[in-house]
Amino acid sequence: SQTIHQWPATLVQPVGSPLSLECTVEGTSNPNLYWYRQAAGRGLQLLFYSVGIGQISSEVPQNLSASRPQDRQFILSSKKLLLSDSGFYLCAWSRRASGTPYEQYFGPGTRLTVT
Amino acid sequence: AQSVAQPEDQVNVAEGNPLTVKCTYSVSGNPYLFWYVQYPNRGLQFLLKYITGDNLVKGSYGFEAEFNKSQTSFHLKKPSALVSDSALYFCAVRDRMDSSYKLIFGSGTRLLVRP
Repeated sequence: SQTIHQWPATLVQPVGSPLSLECTVEGTSNPNLYWYRQAAGRGLQLLFYSVGIGQISSEVPQNLSASRPQDRQFILSSKKLLLSDSGFYLCAWSRRASGTPYEQYFGPGTRLTVT
Repeated sequence: AQSVAQPEDQVNVAEGNPLTVKCTYSVSGNPYLFWYVQYPNRGLQFLLKYITGDNLVKGSYGFEAEFNKSQTSFHLKKPSALVSDSALYFCAVRDRMDSSYKLIFGSGTRLLVRP
């Protein structure tokens, strides 16, 4: 079976500090990978998605970046955090097949508080 | 452009009563539709999806959803609510004509089941 991991689970960082959140998927190959941010326990904002190693699509211009150094690893980074970066960060994966509407499976999330 | 609306911020229902969480969508072509549930401080869990065929889709935990093309709706239902169903519910859509793998999520509906 497939599992998705995110770490850390919680993080408190000062404004201006760097950020690195990691997501890994087990039990599948060539997944699509996604980073979302959820503010105030409500709507999801898609930040980045990736259909392969080194292939990153950005949805929202901001001070965050994403990388996919390995097939099942997805990293969210920032060089300098802003207060507005606080939120609940969710990683998700889906199977990749043209024209097939596979559902996304979500990780447990990382709660980031920027102080 | 694709969009999905969840018109109710919160739905309150008594345990044992039927529940409905509403979702309407807008796509250029035909939709793929999904429902997810989120418990506090957790990732989203996939409940069910509509691809094609039978308009009534059955999913996890006794939930079902009815696709209504004329009303562009995909309401989530359960015949008898449980207190443990209290959570945040998200509807999502993807246009069949969209070659990306992105899902468009609604803003979420909080379900509160009182004992």
